[in-house]
Amino acid sequence: QVQVVQSGAEVQKPGASVIISCKTSASTFTFYYIQWVRQAPGQGLEWMGMVNPETGTTTYAQKFQGRVTVTTDTSTSTVYMHLSSLRSDDTAVYYCSQGGILPGMAAPGDFDHWGQGTLVTVSS
Amino acid sequence: ETVLTQSPATLSLSPGETATLSCRASQSVLSHLAWYQQRPGQAPRLLIYDASLRATGIPPRFSGSGSGTDFTLTISRLEPEDFALYFCQRRGGWPPSPWTFGQGTRVEVK
Repeated sequence: QVQVVQSGAEVQKPGASVIISCKTSASTFTFYYIQWVRQAPGQGLEWMGMVNPETGTTTYAQKFQGRVTVTTDTSTSTVYMHLSSLRSDDTAVYYCSQGGILPGMAAPGDFDHWGQGTLVTVSS
Repeated sequence: ETVLTQSPATLSLSPGETATLSCRASQSVLSHLAWYQQRPGQAPRLLIYDASLRATGIPPRFSGSGSGTDFTLTISRLEPEDFALYFCQRRGGWPPSPWTFGQGTRVEVK
C-alpha cells in the first residue's frame, strides 16, 4: 500500500516561513516526480512546484519563484517544501503528490498518490 | 507558462445524463494532460492521464480525448458520486515545464 504522509497543521505569522514534509515509500521514491499543490478555502488547485527526486532538479511556478524551495532527503524518502515571506493569502491546504514517471523510468503511468494535506494558516 | 482554461465553470445536470467538460491550453501540450476529480474534503483523484488513458480503477464511463490545445473529459450516465469538481492539469513532457492546473469545472445536480 503506497502511502504519502505529510506533516501536521501549521499556524504562522505574516512574514514568517513554513516547512512542510512529505514522506513517501522508499521503493517508489526515485521513479516519480513529487509535486506541491495548494488549495485556498473554496478555491481551485494551484500548482507550486515539483522535484525530480533522483536528480534533485526542481521546477517552480513563476508565481512562487524566489519564495518556494523544494528539497529532498533520499535517505528517508522525504521531500520538503519551504515557503517564505508568508502572507494571509497563503492560508491554504498544501498537498504533495507522487506521480508522473521520471525520464527513462519504466513504471506505471497512472501512479498517483497524494498526501493527506497540510493546513497552513497565516494570521497575526 | 502554459495557461489552461476550463469551461464551463459549472455544469448543472441530472443523474444519468452525459457531462462534457472542456480544457483548452494556451500552447500545445501534445498529449501531456491529466484530469482529476475532487470531492469535498478530499484530495484530488487521477481519472485520466496522457489525455485519454484511464487510471486504474476508474469506471469506463469516464473518457478523455484531445491533443495539442483542446481536450475533453466526458462522463457518460452520471452517477450520484460523479457530482464533484474536475480539474485538468498539464502533466509530463520533456524538458520539465510547470504542471499548471485549469481553474476547475463543478458538476452539480440540476
